[in-house]
Amino acid sequence: EAGVTQSPTHLIKTRGQQATLRCSPISGHTSVYWYQQALGLGLQFLLWYDEGEERNRGNFPPRFSGRQFPNYSSELNVNALELEDSALYLCASSLGSAGPEKLFFGSGTQLSVL
Amino acid sequence: RKEVEQDPGPFNVPEGATVAFNCTYSNSASQSFFWYRQDCRKEPKLLMSVYSSGNEDGRFTAQLNRASQYISLLIRDSKLSDSATYLCVVRMDNYQLIWGAGTKLIIKP
Repeated sequence: EAGVTQSPTHLIKTRGQQATLRCSPISGHTSVYWYQQALGLGLQFLLWYDEGEERNRGNFPPRFSGRQFPNYSSELNVNALELEDSALYLCASSLGSAGPEKLFFGSGTQLSVL
Repeated sequence: RKEVEQDPGPFNVPEGATVAFNCTYSNSASQSFFWYRQDCRKEPKLLMSVYSSGNEDGRFTAQLNRASQYISLLIRDSKLSDSATYLCVVRMDNYQLIWGAGTKLIIKP
């Protein structure tokens, strides 16, 4: 069974550009979580989608947005990129609203903003 | 003060030694606790849940101290493959997950 897949693996952008990151959850999982992990920092919660709806949002500016498609895959968009947006972006999926013991992570997208 | 704090390390430990590290949390409404392991530039993976009575999984022992608001992870007979960053995760009563920044562990031969 395929795990959580994220694309692209690496993404290089310049300040002011827009980035789109993609995530495909494990088959059957309806929830997708997005996290930002900057160097030396813990995972910072960005967004949680379940059944196509945004359920919760972390303390990030509105230029971080996303959506979940009918097949439960998800997209994270970051507009007007800033240097401090450089980080590893991790996507996790679960069966509905589940605790950490039920989260399965993808290997992430490393975003570099120059 | 961060909601979940960990000593970033790195902890440099000889192979075969015992190592322990703590994670403190500030919100007494925290419901449940977990340790994740993250290898360099890889995704986090669940290591173990932390139960009130403490729990053990092979060489790993997790403890919870609600009075002092910390959890601990003890690794016995450490192996080279234990080298990783260990992340503490706290789940709040609204299901929100708060992640620590991790403790880096380096096991040396």
